Amino acid sequence: GAGVSQSPSNKVTEKGKDVELRCDPISGHTALYWYRQSLGQGLEFLIYFQGNSAPDKSGLPSDRFSAERTGGSVSTLTIQRTQQEDSAVYLCASSLATGVRHSPLHFGNGTRLTVT
Amino acid sequence: ILNVEQSPQSLHVQEGDSTNFTCSFPSSNFYALHWYRWETAKSPEALFVMTLNGDEKKKGRISATLNTKEGYSYLYIKGSQPEDSATYLCVFNQAGTALIFGKGTTLSVSS
Repeated sequence: GAGVSQSPSNKVTEKGKDVELRCDPISGHTALYWYRQSLGQGLEFLIYFQGNSAPDKSGLPSDRFSAERTGGSVSTLTIQRTQQEDSAVYLCASSLATGVRHSPLHFGNGTRLTVT
Repeated sequence: ILNVEQSPQSLHVQEGDSTNFTCSFPSSNFYALHWYRWETAKSPEALFVMTLNGDEKKKGRISATLNTKEGYSYLYIKGSQPEDSATYLCVFNQAGTALIFGKGTTLSVSS
């Protein structure tokens, strides 16, 4: 498809397990963002990739969270030793290389993570 | 810490009413402001990207204005319809920083 694709759409995991969330951006979009929305909260920035530059990891809430982007395309967000407070909807978005000054974000449908 | 405030937090109107919401953001080093509509069970969808002070953008019954000097943007919906029910997100971009999302205004339109 032509949109941002995220998988899985839903993930239920036990506390302490590791999870991997995947994002496939729109072809040609070099900027990729991860956000999450916890229950009753707004969207929280996690990490931003732009081309080959070092990612902006300033939003990652703890060292249990990491993300990588292989070949400038697909990105994986990994959460190690999941905790209940990690339960949220994790959204991925991409935009054109020219950045958000003229290009809107295109969002995936999100991954709903539930940690039991 | 950069803060983006949206008000009201939620709003309930009758079909046919016109309404507006506010997004407040820091007025220094302005780069861009976006508005998104986020319907339940869907992903956020871009409405407007605004970059210049005094910008006015329109899409059907929805329009937005931008004042970068005083740090606010208004989103207007004329003649609200039930399909306008959604959360409206304001996203602020200051030069050199990551995008900052407001918490949104949730609009509910009754027929």
